[in-house]
Amino acid sequence: QVQLVQSGAEVKKPGSSVKVSCKASGGTFSSYGISWVRQAPGQGLEWMGGITPILGTANYAQKFQGRVTITADESTSTAYMELSRLRSEDTAVYYCASCKSGYGYGYYFDYWGQGTLVTVSS
Amino acid sequence: DIQMTQSPSSLSASVGDRVTFTCRASQSISSYLNWYQQKPGEAPKLLIYAAFNLQSGVPSRFSGSGFGTDFTLTISSLQPEDFATYYCQQSYSTPRTFGQGTKLEIK
Repeated sequence: QVQLVQSGAEVKKPGSSVKVSCKASGGTFSSYGISWVRQAPGQGLEWMGGITPILGTANYAQKFQGRVTITADESTSTAYMELSRLRSEDTAVYYCASCKSGYGYGYYFDYWGQGTLVTVSS
Repeated sequence: DIQMTQSPSSLSASVGDRVTFTCRASQSISSYLNWYQQKPGEAPKLLIYAAFNLQSGVPSRFSGSGFGTDFTLTISSLQPEDFATYYCQQSYSTPRTFGQGTKLEIK
């Protein structure tokens, strides 16, 4: 089974950027997608975007277009999410999740990282 | 974007009860609906994918149904470890939107 291990907590200033990593083990990295989902304190889940490593193409939620970049390094089985122009509202736990798909099944997030808390504060 | 609406927002129940959660999509999503369970301080856990398919390792007391716009998640007999927040999520289109969650609490 897939295991996803994320980088540690970050404290950032407004206007700066953060880059969170997600290292995968088990399974074949290029055979599944990686999505990023965030959760603000006491709030629900919000999909930010995802990437299919074998294709190298990412897609993003419109809300984050222009501020988020999701990449993947197949050589290290690691996905990255970089969020720029941070503001206080970006304070949240950021999760990576492996995205499985199948004909008739759509896409679903079957394994999740442990989460990375990003705090944006002056 | 497809909006996902869950009801109720919270629910109180007792061990052994049968409980049902509802999720409604703002447009038809066929059967592309997933359910997740999240406990405080933990990452979400996949329970059901594509409306009614039980994820490997998930107890059979969990079941899902629905098609189109209306979906349900049922727990046939609540266990103490089931008290958590439950989210639905559509995968019909991007952005892959989640419902706002239903918090299941002990009565």
